[in-house]
Amino acid sequence: EPEVTQTPSHQVTQMGQEVILRCVPISNHLYFYWYRQILGQKVEFLVSFYNNEISEKSEIFDDQFSVERPDGSNFTLKIRSTKLEDSAMYFCASSPDRLSGNTIYFGEGSWLTVV
Amino acid sequence: RKEVEQDPGPFNVPEGATVAFNCTYSNSASQSFFWYRQDCRKEPKLLMSVYSSGNEDGRFTAQLNRASQYISLLIRDSKLSDSATYLCVVRSGGFKTIFGAGTRLFVKA
Repeated sequence: EPEVTQTPSHQVTQMGQEVILRCVPISNHLYFYWYRQILGQKVEFLVSFYNNEISEKSEIFDDQFSVERPDGSNFTLKIRSTKLEDSAMYFCASSPDRLSGNTIYFGEGSWLTVV
Repeated sequence: RKEVEQDPGPFNVPEGATVAFNCTYSNSASQSFFWYRQDCRKEPKLLMSVYSSGNEDGRFTAQLNRASQYISLLIRDSKLSDSATYLCVVRSGGFKTIFGAGTRLFVKA
């Protein structure tokens, strides 16, 4: 079964450092997403991406964050100048199209710890 | 009012019990509804979509009441492996997906 893959599974970084989280969405999917989940809290939408541009973003996704699809397979989330409160599990996801009934498939997540 | 609201639980039930979870959503324009399950420190996994007519998948039954903006999930004959957090998920036709905080279920032998 095709799956969304994410790297790294766990990263520890110092406050103020830049972090890049990588994702390989399912190959025939067209819509890509990043979500985060702070420990003990709910899953929160960050951003959606389609046709090489951001299609929607939440208020969490400020100038500190950026996304990119540098090639035909990878989808990255960059966090500039990390803060302690950025510590969370970051989930990449993809879906085949934007029909609202379509399932979103999640990767296993990248656990980011900012110290 | 929260966009998607769930009873956090936890629900502690014996094996074989029937358990029901409820969820309410605030945006009447919401178009798609799902139940996901999430195991501890794992990714959310789709359990089932929720259709207006209600739908069943084995031991799981989902219901949607658009007038009341209410979604439910019924689990029959609970198994130990059903222990997880159940997430109510709502999409409004755009790209944004709103998750509830989840309801924790513990099934005990």
